[in-house]
Amino acid sequence: QVTLRESGPALVKTTQTLTLTCTFSGFSFNTGEMCVNWIRQPPGKALEWLARIDWDDDKYYTASLKTRLSISMDASKNQVVLTLSNMNPVDTATYYCARALGHCRRGFDLWGPGTLVTVSS
Amino acid sequence: QSVLTQPPSASGTPGRTVTLSCSGSNSNIGTNYVDWYQQLPGTAPKLLIYKTGQRPSGVPDRFSGFKSGTSASLAISGLRSEDEADYYCAAWDDSLSAWVFGGGTKLTVL
Repeated sequence: QVTLRESGPALVKTTQTLTLTCTFSGFSFNTGEMCVNWIRQPPGKALEWLARIDWDDDKYYTASLKTRLSISMDASKNQVVLTLSNMNPVDTATYYCARALGHCRRGFDLWGPGTLVTVSS
Repeated sequence: QSVLTQPPSASGTPGRTVTLSCSGSNSNIGTNYVDWYQQLPGTAPKLLIYKTGQRPSGVPDRFSGFKSGTSASLAISGLRSEDEADYYCAAWDDSLSAWVFGGGTKLTVL
């Protein structure tokens, strides 16, 4: 079965660093020249793309959060880790990881269920 | 403010066709593929259309995508009550080196 699942703290405090892990099964980083992305959605708001890591370890970040974001992969564990530093209440959102195949050009075809992260002041 | 512009709401009656729009620029829709996602309440988004007009396996052919210049559209024919959801467009932006999403359109089936 092909799945993705996000894990991490449900609650963080202002100024702390958030660390989220995306663990996938049923495929590997060598599958179809894929990429793994992080996307978030504040309650009642639109989707916001955050970061991407490719099968060859290329990395991309959204400009507005670039200084606070870091993405990495552990291919041996089938995991992608996202860190977001200096958390504040506007970072409260459901965080999703999502896969795209075909040099990252075939759309986000597989999503995790998402994990809600609340930032308290 | 989203890089891609979608109308916040749309509506249609069962059995009819509704078309959702997504407007961008030369650096995203103008030069790259467009993807569309459907999000039902409380669930993760689902890929509906990739590479502007391709449907993943399992997506009914009632859903179709196309683009012209810097705008893209998603057409839903034979509208059903279960199509009531939020719809998002997305594209890679060459200037930003980033994926960009639209603000989403909430579709109501009357």
